[in-house]
Amino acid sequence: EVQLVESGGVLVQPGGSLRLSCETSGFAFSTSEMTWVRQAPGKGLQWVSYIIGSGTVIYQADSVKGRFTISRDNNRNSLFLQMSSLRVEDTAIYYCARVNRGQHLSMDVWGNGTTVTVSS
Amino acid sequence: DIQMTQSPSFVSASVGDRVTITCRASQGIDRFLAWYQQKPGKAPSLLIYAASSLQSGVPSRFSGSGSGTDFTLTISSLQPEDFATYYCQQAKSFPFTFGPGTKVDIK
Repeated sequence: EVQLVESGGVLVQPGGSLRLSCETSGFAFSTSEMTWVRQAPGKGLQWVSYIIGSGTVIYQADSVKGRFTISRDNNRNSLFLQMSSLRVEDTAIYYCARVNRGQHLSMDVWGNGTTVTVSS
Repeated sequence: DIQMTQSPSFVSASVGDRVTITCRASQGIDRFLAWYQQKPGKAPSLLIYAASSLQSGVPSRFSGSGSGTDFTLTISSLQPEDFATYYCQQAKSFPFTFGPGTKVDIK
């Protein structure tokens, strides 16, 4: 069974740092493109960052550029999001998802999300 | 960046109704368009990819159409489990962008 399980979301103060993890199983992680998407309370979906299987190509939303870093460990089948200089507006549920290039880059598998709250 | 708009933002419908949601891209995206369903408290799930291809396991009452800038998601006969919020998303270029969502509610 294909599974994505996020963790690491907590309450953090503005300006703080956090590392989210996404543990995967049931598919060829090392050759899969992955992404992070977030959803602020009561709001819509916002794409955050993307990484290819080798980790050598990365894209990020302007709103997180210079503050968030996506990475992966293919030996551990895990995806990460290192978040720094956190702002109140980064408060959201963070989802990891698999990007399926064979299906026009659609996000075909999603985790259940992990909640990040940035507040003093 | 490519902007995505959806209409309507809210639909009130009854079981058995035909529901159509429209998504428009600010520039041409070929068929790099996906539709997602999200139920309250749950993660989104993929319904349609490549504008009109049904994701495995998704009921055939869901269908998608369009290319370029204008796209449509149709639910042919609304079922109780279809009450949710629906998002379109373009994957033609980075940054990926989502539409603002359409909430389908019970009349």
